Amino acid sequence: KAGVTQTPRYLIKTRGQQVTLSCSPISGHRSVSWYQQTPGQGLQFLFEYFSETQRNKGNFPGRFSGRQFSNSRSEMNVSTLELGDSALYLCASSPSNYGYTFGSGTRLTVV
Amino acid sequence: QKEVEQNSGPLSVPEGAIASLNCTYSDRGSQSFFWYRQYSGKSPELIMFIYSNGDKEDGRFTAQLNKASQYVSLLIRDSQPSDSATYLCAVPSGGSNYKLTFGKGTLLTVNP
Repeated sequence: KAGVTQTPRYLIKTRGQQVTLSCSPISGHRSVSWYQQTPGQGLQFLFEYFSETQRNKGNFPGRFSGRQFSNSRSEMNVSTLELGDSALYLCASSPSNYGYTFGSGTRLTVV
Repeated sequence: QKEVEQNSGPLSVPEGAIASLNCTYSDRGSQSFFWYRQYSGKSPELIMFIYSNGDKEDGRFTAQLNKASQYVSLLIRDSQPSDSATYLCAVPSGGSNYKLTFGKGTLLTVNP
């Protein structure tokens, strides 16, 4: 069974640009969450989608957005990138509320 | 008070010993609790979840939950060098089981 797939694995962007990250959940998993991980703040919740609807949102500015498609695949977008957005972005999927399986992440570097 | 607190460590134990990892949380309404393991350079991996007071055992791992004290712990028996990793406690927050708040993690080192 394939795991959670995130693309791309690595990205380098310039301040002010925007970026789109992609996530394919495990087959049958309808809940998809996104997290940002940095050395200073640890893992922080961005948002969660279920059946194409955003059910939960973390405390991030509006520059961070996401969406989920009918096949449960999800994307997140960050506009007007700042240096502080450099982080590992993790997508996770779950069939229920008994834990999430994480993808390998996308390492974003903003220069 | 932070929502989920863990000792950052590092916690160092000899091979074969019991490693004890602790986590406290602030939301009394939390119903389920998760332990993740994260190796350096890798993504978090779910190793245990618990939602009832008491102990839950899975192989060498035991999760312990005390809702009255808002405390959850993870015991690793017969620790192995391969257990060396950061252990993250996660608690649902904001009234949703699908919004996890993670602690900063405890770095465990098991010395051969």
